[in-house]
Amino acid sequence: NAGVTQTPKFQVLKTGQSMTLQCAQDMNHNSMYWYRQDPGMGLRLIYYSASEGTTDKGEVPNGYNVSRLNKREFSLRLESAAPSQTSVYFCASSNGRQSDNYGYTFGSGTRLTVV
Amino acid sequence: AQSVSQHNHHVILSEAASLELGCNYSYGGTVNLFWYVQYPGQHLQLLLKYFSGDPLVKGIKGFEAEFIKSKFSFNLRKPSVQWSDTAEYFCAVNLYMDTGRRALTFGSGTRLQVQP
Repeated sequence: NAGVTQTPKFQVLKTGQSMTLQCAQDMNHNSMYWYRQDPGMGLRLIYYSASEGTTDKGEVPNGYNVSRLNKREFSLRLESAAPSQTSVYFCASSNGRQSDNYGYTFGSGTRLTVV
Repeated sequence: AQSVSQHNHHVILSEAASLELGCNYSYGGTVNLFWYVQYPGQHLQLLLKYFSGDPLVKGIKGFEAEFIKSKFSFNLRKPSVQWSDTAEYFCAVNLYMDTGRRALTFGSGTRLQVQP
């Protein structure tokens, strides 16, 4: 099925470990986003990529890095995981300018626990 | 700073009751507005959206929302809820980031619990 695919679905890390969350979309969307979801705080934007080759910080970028590998893929890296990064991470994509009208398509999420 | 506020954090209703969830945003310019729903254990799904025209928009599953520009509000309504509407509901607005580009900014969400 067309959409946004995230891997892994679940991950447990020890404090200080690193990992990369993968995201790929097959809808030929220009823009991609990483959000984290925490109870009572909704979704907060970590990083986004308006188009291939560009990345920008969102509301909560500290402790994360991203790579827009190509038009399809947008990865999120935690270099040194901390318990405060325990969260559910969602990747999303949109058509860019047309996203103003059509909204975003979200992946199924990665549940990350840092112990 | 631009923000999106949802004032109802947890709502409990009986089946067939009417629903209204509040959403306000702080930005004086043109915006596009969305409501998303997240069923337990699932990802976000688009319920409805507003970008221009009739301020009363209809979405899936009998939901509707009204954009009131003077009140900076976009409240979600449903005349008669069902047990299957139990979910978390998020209002989102495409606001400008510091980079000058827009991205969806979400409210904190409202957890709706419908009792049979």
